Amino acid sequence: QITLKESGPTLVKPTQTLTLTCTFSGFSLNTNGVGVGWFRQPPGKALEWLAVIEWDDDKRYSPSLTSRLTITKDTSKNQVVLTMANMDPVDTATYSCARRLRWAYDRWGQGTLVTVSS
Amino acid sequence: QSVLTQPPSVSGAPGQRVTISCTGSTSNIGAGYDVQWYQLLPGTAPKLLIYENNIRPSGVPDRFSGSKSGTSASLAITGLQAEDEADYYCQSCDSSLSDVFGTGTKVTVL
Repeated sequence: QITLKESGPTLVKPTQTLTLTCTFSGFSLNTNGVGVGWFRQPPGKALEWLAVIEWDDDKRYSPSLTSRLTITKDTSKNQVVLTMANMDPVDTATYSCARRLRWAYDRWGQGTLVTVSS
Repeated sequence: QSVLTQPPSVSGAPGQRVTISCTGSTSNIGAGYDVQWYQLLPGTAPKLLIYENNIRPSGVPDRFSGSKSGTSASLAITGLQAEDEADYYCQSCDSSLSDVFGTGTKVTVL
């Protein structure tokens, strides 16, 4: 059974760096063609892709956020970590991770709500 | 920001057919990248409905179908059911190999 679960702070202050962890099971990030991506959805707004890391450590970022994002993986722990620097209230959103298989995200976590407020 | 454009909402009566369009450009859908479709229900994880333009994962009812032509794609739902009331998003890739999502469409069952 494939599962993904996001963890991290529920509240961060403006200018702080957000660190989120996606812990997964049922698949390996060492497998050819597998990746893990991060997304967010602000309340009442559209889903937005943030970043993806592939099995071969290839990393891609949203062009509009690339300067603020870093994605890494720890295959021994089955974890993918996303950091987002210089948080702002407009970054308040539910953040989710998902497994990427070829071009599709076929398994998703439930997401975690992150609020940015002083 | 979304680079794939979807209608904000579509609606239909139970049993009817509705379609959702996803309009991209020559740097994403038109460049030959596949299109995926996802269903988002409140309080639940997103569900992959269609991948590689028109393939349904195991367990997805055949009421859902996808197509792609040129710089656009479409999701059709036939035999609309109350449980289909949800938000739907298309997704593709662009020439920089970044993933891109649509603006989202809310389907209402009248």
